[in-house]
Amino acid sequence: SQQGEEDPQALSIQEGENATMNCSYKTSINNLQWYRQNSGRGLVHLILIRSNEREKHSGRLRVTLDTSKKSSSLLITASRAADTASYFCATVQGAQKLVFGQGTRLTINP
Amino acid sequence: DTGVSQNPRHKITKRGQNVTFRCDPISEHNRLYWYRQTLGQGPEFLTYFQNEAQLEKSRLLSDRFSAERPKGSFSTLEIQRTEQGDSAMYLCASSFDQGIAFFGQGTRLTVV
Repeated sequence: SQQGEEDPQALSIQEGENATMNCSYKTSINNLQWYRQNSGRGLVHLILIRSNEREKHSGRLRVTLDTSKKSSSLLITASRAADTASYFCATVQGAQKLVFGQGTRLTINP
Repeated sequence: DTGVSQNPRHKITKRGQNVTFRCDPISEHNRLYWYRQTLGQGPEFLTYFQNEAQLEKSRLLSDRFSAERPKGSFSTLEIQRTEQGDSAMYLCASSFDQGIAFFGQGTRLTVV
């Protein structure tokens, strides 16, 4: 079964707007990672946040982690058409496997 | 190092045939994962290796699926007696311990 649940399942916004995606998980984690996938391609790692971190930035990306609520959010600021993709959160539980959610399909309209 | 490499990129097979996919991970990575992904869904965990040891195999995986990682290097995923429901993208990823996972481009399997 999948560990993470992304919300919303699909998001469509205008270019230049900010996009926020959320991820909830069920068990304690070592870290949480966000990935992007363009249609028909492999996944590309975006950012990793450890369980003892609350916020992390990378360029136009901002990730937050709330371990008490078992949730994370990914914010993409000043969106571009090239940001159109599916975004997945993935968690590592203990020394175990990397488990993915169902993803958010993001569409940036020019 | 050119990253994670998967072969073939595409495979069309008749129902009932066996297929084998190969994954070459990043050389210094000790973990190797196999996932299956269908359209509109997230990657579904199949199995993973720590070096040459297969540490976990999904309970959803039938005994028609088997994976190996001899000497802790490349890995193969074999599907025996393929069924139409096996049609999917098969993704391989590697990492160092619980760190960032790097993915290959996947092998798209079509069972006709």
